[in-house]
Amino acid sequence: GAVVSQHPSRVICKSGTSVKIECRSLDFQATTMFWYRQFPKQSLMLMATSNEGSKATYEQGVEKDKFLINHASLTLSTLTVTSAHPEDSSFYICSASSQGLNPGNTIYFGEGSWLTVV
Amino acid sequence: ELKVEQNPLFLSMQEGKNYTIYCNYSTTSDRLYWYRQDPGKSLESLFVLLSNGAVKQEGRLMASLDTKARLSTLHITAAVHDLSATYFCAVFMEYGNKLVFGAGTILRVKS
Repeated sequence: GAVVSQHPSRVICKSGTSVKIECRSLDFQATTMFWYRQFPKQSLMLMATSNEGSKATYEQGVEKDKFLINHASLTLSTLTVTSAHPEDSSFYICSASSQGLNPGNTIYFGEGSWLTVV
Repeated sequence: ELKVEQNPLFLSMQEGKNYTIYCNYSTTSDRLYWYRQDPGKSLESLFVLLSNGAVKQEGRLMASLDTKARLSTLHITAAVHDLSATYFCAVFMEYGNKLVFGAGTILRVKS
């Protein structure tokens, strides 16, 4: 079964509203989680690295005030898309591992969340 | 900044044939990952290559890593329809402690 779970798997929201996506590690503690965005037929682009108990590290070009990331516990990170617009419609994927990206450490990906902004 | 290039981006092949997907990257890295993605789904881990010369095989897929050439290959042997998917390589970037993904290779196996 999945070891990293995302919720919701699909969400439709109206323009201007906010939507929260959760990423949970189910049977391990993840000090670091990663959030990716994938547009149709494109690759995964890293948005930010979520660190438990501290601020997330955002990639260049990603608006930290628009994509709020909270990693309040060792098993949960949330991504909130604020004031969503249709161009934010995408597939959002999180990943997590128990010891970051250390060699030999397994990286687990969540099932992904489809966001449609209408 | 690390650049990861995959080729081909699209591959249509007949069942039973062999082919190779290439993943080149621009700066030094000692770690490379291969993933499979089915339409509408998330990523499935295929291989983790952790050292120069690493070779791993699972079924009809075999992956290798040459860190000196900054090249990884994913070789498909006697393709079957079930292998149709998008394949991504991802390279570990020490600066930033993150993975950088290639553009992906869409593989279609025709019967």
